[in-house]
Amino acid sequence: DVKVTQSSRYLVKRTGEKVFLECVQDMDHENMFWYRQDPGLGLRLIYFSYDVKMKEKGDIPEGYSVSREKKERFSLILESASTNQTSMYLCASRLPGPNTGELFFGEGSRLTVL
Amino acid sequence: AQSVTQLDSHVSVSEGTPVLLRCNYSSSYSPSLFWYVQHPNKGLQLLLKYTSAATLVKGINGFEAEFKKSETSFHLTKPSAHMSDAAEYFCVVRPGGYQKVTFGIGTKLQVIP
Repeated sequence: DVKVTQSSRYLVKRTGEKVFLECVQDMDHENMFWYRQDPGLGLRLIYFSYDVKMKEKGDIPEGYSVSREKKERFSLILESASTNQTSMYLCASRLPGPNTGELFFGEGSRLTVL
Repeated sequence: AQSVTQLDSHVSVSEGTPVLLRCNYSSSYSPSLFWYVQHPNKGLQLLLKYTSAATLVKGINGFEAEFKKSETSFHLTKPSAHMSDAAEYFCVVRPGGYQKVTFGIGTKLQVIP
């Protein structure tokens, strides 16, 4: 059974703290993605990675960075958390290529920044 | 550029009645289209996908969707709603060969007993 695992389901952090969100997939997928989900806004792409050590900015990268040192792991980093980064964060992975498409999602990490 | 419009943010149906969730898209290239479902506090799960084969696509749990190029629509339907269908549904477009996808803002489906 395919699996995308996000290490923390719920986190509470303080403004200015550094936050790491970890995502691991066991499907040997090249492509991995980080989204944030907010009511009324749907899912917005923060960053994606099409292979190890490769990354590309999505639609809302400001205030975030990512790391992809191994194929199975994609980390999202908030260098200095702010209250407007309170959100649900979803990691996903996918096979590359124009004719594939299905994204496999983790269960999400709900981050609250106080 | 591509975009997705989900025409209803909330839909309420009675158990056993048909479900219709509407989605319109725009895409510069021949798109792939998807519907995902998200139950409370869970990740998203693929319901079905259209990738330029048959225009009527069948998915899991009795859902289906029809790709209509002339109307740029990809509406999701189910003949008879079940309580377990209560969730949020997302329509997604991926222009042909393009890495990024665009999500609609979601439709929350409420099923009344």
